[in-house]
Amino acid sequence: DTGVSQDPRHKITKRGQNVTFRCDPISEHNRLYWYRQTLGQGPEFLTYFQNEAQLEKSRLLSDRFSAERPKGSFSTLEIQRTEQGDSAMYLCASSLPVRSYEQYFGPGTRLTVT
Amino acid sequence: GENVEQHPSTLSVQEGDSAVIKCTYSDSASNYFPWYKQELGKGPQLIIDIRSNVGEKKDQRIAVTLNKTAKHFSLHITETQPEDSAVYFCAAFEFNTNAGKSTFGDGTTLTVKP
Repeated sequence: DTGVSQDPRHKITKRGQNVTFRCDPISEHNRLYWYRQTLGQGPEFLTYFQNEAQLEKSRLLSDRFSAERPKGSFSTLEIQRTEQGDSAMYLCASSLPVRSYEQYFGPGTRLTVT
Repeated sequence: GENVEQHPSTLSVQEGDSAVIKCTYSDSASNYFPWYKQELGKGPQLIIDIRSNVGEKKDQRIAVTLNKTAKHFSLHITETQPEDSAVYFCAAFEFNTNAGKSTFGDGTTLTVKP
């Protein structure tokens, strides 16, 4: 399968713990995006990378959130000191730079903070 | 920033009937309007899109129309089938300067009854 993959698919953690999610984009896509989706709502933009450079961050991305894409391939999203309000689906998408509007989404990581 | 409103939030139709989902957007600079289908446990999948220089686009049973003056666009599904049951999201995007940030509607849950 050559689509966007995310790991883990589900994560249950206790409040205050740190969690890290991984996204592997489609191989020739050098743009990578993170979105958050809560129940009954559409995805909300968090941040995006072109290659290894993080080019934009949403105000939704508080200081507890950090995203990296060290080699311009896979990306990680870390949430420190998780709160119950962080419970959501975290979606990753990728695109070609010349067609950045055509974004291909992964299956998401469902985070539950207890 | 952009704001996208989507209606209805739920839609139930009989198999074979047509379904229409409508979205409005606020930013006249938006020029790309994709529609996504999200099935349970999966990420959104791009099913059709339209650019602002086109008024209508069709792909088999799916069509999208755009009214730039009124800032609204619609998804039309004809001859609905049970496998069309899913959550559908519209989005708006300005791809000249906004490299990756799509703004999504809150989704429409479509149920096709056999």
